[in-house]
Amino acid sequence: EVQLVESGGGLVQPGGSLRLSCAASGFTFSRSWMSWVRQAPGKGLEWVANIKEDGGDNYYVDSVKGRFTISRDNAKNSLFLQMNSLRAEDTAVYYCARYVRSHPHYYMDIWGEGTTVTVSS
Amino acid sequence: DIQLTQSPSFLSASVGDRVTITCRASQGINNYLDWYQQKPGKAPKLLIYTASTLESGVPSRFSGSASGTEFTLTISSLQPEDFATYYCQQLKTYPLTFGGGTKVEIK
Repeated sequence: EVQLVESGGGLVQPGGSLRLSCAASGFTFSRSWMSWVRQAPGKGLEWVANIKEDGGDNYYVDSVKGRFTISRDNAKNSLFLQMNSLRAEDTAVYYCARYVRSHPHYYMDIWGEGTTVTVSS
Repeated sequence: DIQLTQSPSFLSASVGDRVTITCRASQGINNYLDWYQQKPGKAPKLLIYTASTLESGVPSRFSGSASGTEFTLTISSLQPEDFATYYCQQLKTYPLTFGGGTKVEIK
């Protein structure tokens, strides 16, 4: 079964850190770009970060640059998001997704159910 | 950054209605535009990619079209399971961006 399962969310104080994980199964993870997308309570979707198949290329939304780091372990079919210097505005459900790049087609076709991050004192 | 403006942000419709949602990009994105459906408490689901290609398994009542920087998602005959929020997303340039969403509710 094709699946992505996020974990690692929770309550953290402003300025704190959290590491999210995403376990992939049912597809060739090592050949897939991956993404993190978040959704603040009652708000729309916001793309956060992308990582290339081999981890050699990363992209971030400006609001998390320098604070968040996307990484992966292809041997363990796992994606990560290290979040430092967390702010209240980082409070959201965080989804991992497979990002397909098959020119001219680009899309996110597999999504996890999300993990909730709450930044509050 | 490329801005995506969705309209309307909310619409009320009945089962069987034809529904059209528009997404306007602030600059050319060469049809690198996808549509997602999201139900409360659930992850987004891919419906349409590259402006008009239907994702496998998605009912044929969903369709997408493009004209320059204006993109349209059409549901030909609204079904009870289609009441949800719909988002467009551009994948032409980083940062990837989403539209603000269109919530489709039952009239």
